[in-house]
Amino acid sequence: GAGVSQSPSNKVTEKGKDVELRCDPISGHTALYWYRQSLGQGLEFLIYFQGNSAPDKSGLPSDRFSAERTGGSVSTLTIQRTQQEDSAVYLCASSLGLAGGLKNIQYFGAGTRLSVL
Amino acid sequence: DQQVKQNSPSLSVQEGRISILNCDYTNSMFDYFLWYKKYPAEGPTFLISISSIKDKNEDGRFTVFLNKSAKHLSLHIVPSQPGDSAVYFCAASRGGSNYQLIWGAGTKLIIKP
Repeated sequence: GAGVSQSPSNKVTEKGKDVELRCDPISGHTALYWYRQSLGQGLEFLIYFQGNSAPDKSGLPSDRFSAERTGGSVSTLTIQRTQQEDSAVYLCASSLGLAGGLKNIQYFGAGTRLSVL
Repeated sequence: DQQVKQNSPSLSVQEGRISILNCDYTNSMFDYFLWYKKYPAEGPTFLISISSIKDKNEDGRFTVFLNKSAKHLSLHIVPSQPGDSAVYFCAASRGGSNYQLIWGAGTKLIIKP
């Protein structure tokens, strides 16, 4: 596609339920990133996929959070047993995944706004 | 440990004047810096970048200045326009095989008509 696509754009769920957020990166981009932005805060790194390498999960806040990337393309971020503090905008980005300068530019989707009631 | 800091949460500037957004960093290994702009309900979009081998990069109304000795960079927008009202994020990378960006908390720029 032309850009990074995320779905759903909005998700309202009840505390304790599981949610799945989807990200479709730009075709040909080998690197994919998930971020979280809570109200009034900056971008919080969650997880990073690069090609066939093991993902960097160092930003995941708890074991309730997991992510997969199938076939080096689409990624799903799953939050189990959601809590109210999980409410945030979840942003996905992709990049060429090549070393150096402009190749590090990340292109973002519009995000999924998650509200946990 | 916040490696990239944007100390001004918000900035208000008169239309037509210069907007200056500041960013400080602590890691001397950063070698590439980027500015992103974010409108409400949209993802951040890339605006301008600078390599550590330069001290200035200009693109139209936008200029980024890098002071390596002070570990400081700034984004200048001149003249400021109403459409520039957005949140601006500073980000840094260490290059090499590390593709991750370290992000500042953002500065909300408001352009007053």
